[in-house]
Amino acid sequence: DGGITQSPKYLFRKEGQNVTLSCEQNLNHDAMYWYRQDPGQGLRLIYYSQIVNDFQKGDIAEGYSVSREKKESFPLTVTSAQKNPTAFYLCASSKGGLAGGNEQFFGPGTRLTVL
Amino acid sequence: AQSVTQLGSHVSVSEGALVLLRCNYSSSVPPYLFWYVQYPNQGLQLLLKYTTGATLVKGINGFEAEFKKSETSFHLTKPSAHMSDAAEYFCAVSEANYGQNFVFGPGTRLSVLP
Repeated sequence: DGGITQSPKYLFRKEGQNVTLSCEQNLNHDAMYWYRQDPGQGLRLIYYSQIVNDFQKGDIAEGYSVSREKKESFPLTVTSAQKNPTAFYLCASSKGGLAGGNEQFFGPGTRLTVL
Repeated sequence: AQSVTQLGSHVSVSEGALVLLRCNYSSSVPPYLFWYVQYPNQGLQLLLKYTTGATLVKGINGFEAEFKKSETSFHLTKPSAHMSDAAEYFCAVSEANYGQNFVFGPGTRLSVLP
């Protein structure tokens, strides 16, 4: 079955450590996205990538980094510079292009807790 | 710039009652509109979407929504609530000149009372 996988489902980090969240899709989608979800605030866009080897900052990119070396993979690194990283992180993908109208497909999420 | 508002962060209905979740959007060009559902500790699942054509859109699980351009609204309805409908619901908008990027509303948590 096609879909998006995220790992791990739960992640604990000590302050000052970098951690990397995995996101893989086998939907052959060009575009991929990372969102952060906090209670009562909906989803906020961290980074997005419309094509391999290219990505753009979203609304809250500070303290995060990404890479897009393969079409199916879009890992997110939460660096020690992120002041409040405890949150639920969601990865999504969609067909590419600028025409719009394509829905985003979401992974199951990773819950990151900083100890 | 696009924006989405959802009236009511928490809505409670009785089982069998009408479900109405409100969504209003702001867009400088004709929008594409989406409703997603999220169950606890899970990702989002698409309920339905409006791109072009018929303004009344039917989705999964008996939900439907109507695009009203004059009211800039895309409210989600279901005639009869089921206990399994209890979840968080998100409205989202994207624009033709903004690629596939979405702007999500803050969400509405639906509780279904027995």
